Amino acid sequence: DTGVSQDPRHKITKRGQNVTFRCDPISEHNRLYWYRQTLGQGPEFLTYFQNEAQLEKSRLLSDRFSAERPKGSFSTLEIQRTEQGDSAMYLCASSEPPDRGLWAGELFFGEGSRLTVL
Amino acid sequence: AQSVTQPDIHITVSEGASLELRCNYSYGATPYLFWYVQSPGQGLQLLLKYFSGDTLVQGIKGFEAEFKRSQSSFNLRKPSVHWSDAAEYFCAPHFGNEKLTFGTGTRLTIIP
Repeated sequence: DTGVSQDPRHKITKRGQNVTFRCDPISEHNRLYWYRQTLGQGPEFLTYFQNEAQLEKSRLLSDRFSAERPKGSFSTLEIQRTEQGDSAMYLCASSEPPDRGLWAGELFFGEGSRLTVL
Repeated sequence: AQSVTQPDIHITVSEGASLELRCNYSYGATPYLFWYVQSPGQGLQLLLKYFSGDTLVQGIKGFEAEFKRSQSSFNLRKPSVHWSDAAEYFCAPHFGNEKLTFGTGTRLTIIP
């Protein structure tokens, strides 16, 4: 059984460059979440998908950020024209679908992709 | 407004001593409640969860948490900590909005 995997684990880039992170969720999970975590803070919600549909985006997700989950399996998070303030750990999590319309809330996290923007 | 507070940024305890990490929330109902642990360089691992019923819940690694409705709290406890418990701990309520809201975390340091 494989858990949630994220790639790359670390990315160092120069300001203004584009970066893309990939997340492969647990196979039977139809929900996929992206969170961002900065030093000394808890994870902050960015967006989530149910199957291929992006159902919610946080105001933290500026126009430079885009997330996709084209076939309802893996997801990508792209950051265009990176800024130093984008430096953070980007966490992906997946969960089981709602049961009779009720989502239990248990998230299974990957190890994260750490972004450093110079 | 919905919010979660972890009042203690950093706690230091001696190995073998007991531990209590505090979590308070603000919400008009009882949320589902979760505690996660994050070891250095690692992702978050679920320790335990509360949905309903018995207010004392048991988790992995010998942790337990008690839900107190009157205090809007869900404090995490362990009777005797081990050096391997050194990590960051996050309380995360589900406020019925299809996502978890994480507290700012409590960093736990263990003294030998």
